[in-house]
Amino acid sequence: EVKLLESGGGLVQPGGSMRLSCAASGFTFTDFYMNWIRQPAGKAPEWLGFIRNKANGYTTEYNPSVKGRFTISRDNTQNMLYLQMNTLRAEDTATYYCARWSKRGMDAWGQGASVTVSS
Amino acid sequence: DIQMTQSPSFLSASVGDRVTINCKASQNINRYLNWYQQKLGEAPKLLIYNANSLQTGIPSRFSGSGSGTDFTLTISSLQPEDVATYFCLQHNSWPPTFGAGTKLELK
Repeated sequence: EVKLLESGGGLVQPGGSMRLSCAASGFTFTDFYMNWIRQPAGKAPEWLGFIRNKANGYTTEYNPSVKGRFTISRDNTQNMLYLQMNTLRAEDTATYYCARWSKRGMDAWGQGASVTVSS
Repeated sequence: DIQMTQSPSFLSASVGDRVTINCKASQNINRYLNWYQQKLGEAPKLLIYNANSLQTGIPSRFSGSGSGTDFTLTISSLQPEDVATYFCLQHNSWPPTFGAGTKLELK
């Protein structure tokens, strides 16, 4: 069974940093692109970026809205995905999800990690 | 970016009803449209991929149709466990973009 489990959310002050983690299991992690998506309460989800699979050199792409502030990485020995978020703003407050990308689009999601940016 | 306009935002229906939810893309996305179900506190679940393909394990009362810019998710006979928020995702063009969601409740 494919499982994705985010961790690392919480309260952070404006201007601060936070790293989210996503533990993957049930599939060959290196075969898949992995995504981060966020969803502010009551709003549409927003794709943040992805990191490619082994065959495509683990390169990254980002939504321009977060490029330069957010960094996606992966530890393929531990089947872990990461989202490093810097210079956080109030508008970054959201639930953050990791999701696997397959030929079916985003076909598996984690339950999400809540991030609140507030003083 | 491609804008996805989803309607209605809110829907109230009775058990056994046929329910339809729509997504309209701001430009042609071929058939690269997915539908997801999200229950409170749970991970979003893929229902339909590539407009009309039923994901493994999803009940056959769920179906999808459309191509180009107009897409529909249909629940043929609403069940109590279908109470959730549903949203669409286009993955034809980068960045992928989502509809704003439809909250479905029982009447």
